Order: sequence, then structure tokens, then C-alpha cells
Amino acid sequence: EPEVTQTPSHQVTQMGQEVILRCVPISNHLYFYWYRQILGQKVEFLVSFYNNEISEKSEIFDDQFSVERPDGSNFTLKIRSTKLEDSAMYFCASRASSGANGELFFGEGSRLTVL
Amino acid sequence: DQQVKQNSPSLSVQEGRISILNCDYTNSMFDYFLWYKKYPAEGPTFLISISSIKDKNEDGRFTVFLNKSAKHLSLHIVPSQPGDSAVYFCAARDTGRRALTFGSGTRLQVQP
Repeated sequence: EPEVTQTPSHQVTQMGQEVILRCVPISNHLYFYWYRQILGQKVEFLVSFYNNEISEKSEIFDDQFSVERPDGSNFTLKIRSTKLEDSAMYFCASRASSGANGELFFGEGSRLTVL
Repeated sequence: DQQVKQNSPSLSVQEGRISILNCDYTNSMFDYFLWYKKYPAEGPTFLISISSIKDKNEDGRFTVFLNKSAKHLSLHIVPSQPGDSAVYFCAARDTGRRALTFGSGTRLQVQP
């Protein structure tokens, strides 16, 4: 069964460092997302990406964040200068349907720990 | 701004009995609702969904009910199995967006 894969599974970084989280969405999917879950809190939307551009972003997704689809398979989330509060589980998701419906398929997540 | 609320952080049921997980929402623009299951250290896994034009959708042991007037939906699991023990998230999408808004989750524990 096709799945969304994420790397690394866990990254520890110092505050102020740049971090890149990588995702390989399901191959025929068109819509890509990043969500995060701070420990003990709800899953929060960060950004959606379609046709090589951001289609929607939340208030969390400020100038410190960026996304890129550098080639036909990878979808990356970059945090330029990490803060302690960026520590969370980051989930990549993808979706096939161009219609209103169509569930998101999530990866297993990348745990980011900022010290 | 909690547009999707799951007021029960945890629920414990006996194996074979019914599990009922509840979700309330405030945004009347939501037109599609989903339930996801999440195990520790894994990403959310899609379970079942329902469009706002329906009031019930069933898939095997899982049934989702939608009460639009009350802005309430529920997930029924019958019969519950120990493997169902996980955190269940309610999510919703409104007509103008593609992103999902998640609730805070309910941890279900099914006792053997």
C-alpha cells in the first residue's frame, strides 16, 4: 500500500539552527500538507501546497517557515531559526482528489526537539 | 479558537461493547467531517468520513453520525476491540479551504 514517508524520524537541534524536514508524498497525489502536534496538544495545520505554490497557510506558518518541492518526489519543510516552541511532531500529508473531499494520508511524523 | 471540540479527553470501554466518541463544532461552513485514529509515534490514519449532506455513514464496525442542527458528530465502534485502543481525532473541512481543522483528540482504551 502506498504511504507517505518522512525523514528524519527524530531530530535534535540547538535553538537558532536551521532544520529541514523531508517528506515523500504518495506518488500520484497532488496536494501536500504540513501539520504539527506539540506534545499533549491538538494536531495543527501549518501549510498546504499545490501546483508548486502555497495554497493556504496558518498563523503559525510565519517567515521562519518555508516549504519546497525541489524535485518530483520530495516535499520539504524548512525552519530557518528554530525556537524552543518549535519542538513538536511534524506530520506531512498528501491528498489525491482535486474535489472537495478526499482524505489526507499522513506520514509517521518527524519529531523535532529544540534545545 | 476551538472550532472543533472533543470534550472527553479519554474513554474506557470493555471489549465487545460499544464505544461512542463525540465531537462538536462551531463553524457552520464545515461541510465535510473525518475521523482519524492515531497510535503513539505514528501519523493519524483515516478511519471514516461524512459529508454534511448525510446524517450517517457506516463502514464495518465504524459508524459516524452527523447532527447538523446540533453541530455534533459521533463515532460509534461496535463491537470494540483491544486493537481499537488509540487516540481518535475528529476533523472538519470548510467549503472555502482544503486544510483540516482537528479536535484535541479522545484517548480510547478498550479493556480485554
